[in-house]
Amino acid sequence: EILLTQSPATLSLSPGDRATLSCRASQSVSTYLAWYQQIPGQAPRLLIYDASNRATGIPARFSGSGSGTDFTLTISSLEPEDFAVYYCQQRGNWPLTFGGGTKVEIK
Amino acid sequence: QVQLVQSGAEGKKPGASVKVSCKASGYTFTGYVMHWVRQAPGQGLEWMGWINPENGNAKYSQKFQGRVTITRDTSATTAYMELSSLRSEDTAVYYCARSDYDWSGHFPNHYFQYWGQGTLVTVSS
Repeated sequence: EILLTQSPATLSLSPGDRATLSCRASQSVSTYLAWYQQIPGQAPRLLIYDASNRATGIPARFSGSGSGTDFTLTISSLEPEDFAVYYCQQRGNWPLTFGGGTKVEIK
Repeated sequence: QVQLVQSGAEGKKPGASVKVSCKASGYTFTGYVMHWVRQAPGQGLEWMGWINPENGNAKYSQKFQGRVTITRDTSATTAYMELSSLRSEDTAVYYCARSDYDWSGHFPNHYFQYWGQGTLVTVSS
């Protein structure tokens, strides 16, 4: 089973700041990695798939990069609605697995 | 528009079973695979398994093998997840989630583009 480790666990930032979230895989998943945003009380929302492709309707301030074992989600300028928990997920190997999440909170 | 509407919250005793439904609309039900993901209170996301609604074939996470059964009713455009031998650690919100196709257009991409609203299952004596 591929373990996904997200860091940091919590990111304290202000609106307008740049957020950089990391996801590291225990073995290569090629570019088969996605990022989700989850607001408390809601289902997750797909942001990025295949490491760098924005899902339909996702604003351009969200971008993804990486391949192999190291991946990054960048939010170029935080909007108030971006304060949430972010998860990565891999589909490179079965079973599908998620990272433990990064909470982006208001500083 | 794609909609996934799940059944309501359930309260169960340890050892019992629960069956959660996921009613799909807005697309061809047999054309897209459906996954089940759960989230314990205050915890992260955990993948349980998936089904191909076209042929009914299902695949499960080894963690739940033997306890989970995913089925579908094509006439009702509904997927089901049944979990047996419930224990307190199974208390969670259970989500159904639909995948789209990969770049080739031939294979599911096994990402979760559309989600149900979630069903809280509480296991307590």
